[in-house]
Amino acid sequence: GAVVSQHPSWVICKSGTSVKIECRSLDFQATTMFWYRQFPKQSLMLMATSNEGSKATYEQGVEKDKFLINHASLTLSTLTVTSAHPEDSSFYICSAYRTDSYGYTFGSGTRLTVV
Amino acid sequence: DQQVKQNSPSLSVQEGRISILNCDYTNSMFDYFLWYKKYPAEGPTFLISISSIKDKNEDGRFTVFLNKSAKHLSLHIVPSQPGDSAVYFCAASGGAQKLVFGQGTRLTINP
Repeated sequence: GAVVSQHPSWVICKSGTSVKIECRSLDFQATTMFWYRQFPKQSLMLMATSNEGSKATYEQGVEKDKFLINHASLTLSTLTVTSAHPEDSSFYICSAYRTDSYGYTFGSGTRLTVV
Repeated sequence: DQQVKQNSPSLSVQEGRISILNCDYTNSMFDYFLWYKKYPAEGPTFLISISSIKDKNEDGRFTVFLNKSAKHLSLHIVPSQPGDSAVYFCAASGGAQKLVFGQGTRLTINP
């Protein structure tokens, strides 16, 4: 079955530093990946759509200069939280869209804590 | 603007009984609907989906019903098992591939 690997599963960083989160589709090619953010006991909010070989499309209210997305290959998308602040602490989840099955597969998520 | 709504934040059901989780949507352009199960600190796990051309889809203990005129879908789990205890999210897609999620419903199955 389709597997999406997300790394790291958790990270603690100091305020002002940058953190990179990786999302890999292990057994299929994903031209489109999505990045979500979930606050405690809330819904998954779409942050951006990542398209291989082109610029990401950000949802309204999401700072593209703060949340840098790179989708350089058909199996890898990265989210970099730049100059992280405590309010960026959240659970980040990626999802890869598989065109051959019209299916979405989610990564296991990354718990980011900024101190 | 919450396009997908799950109005019940929690639901408690006795083991063996039917669990019914509800979801409403407002965007008539949505044509594909999915249900996911999620545990804390994990990514969502796909359960079942339904296209707007159907009004019912069944997979084992899980059945999803879609009422397009009411813009309402529901997930039925029968019989409910303790391992079903989790947060359930409904999600909708409208051709742009991206999913819009509801707020989630925490299901607790009591022995």
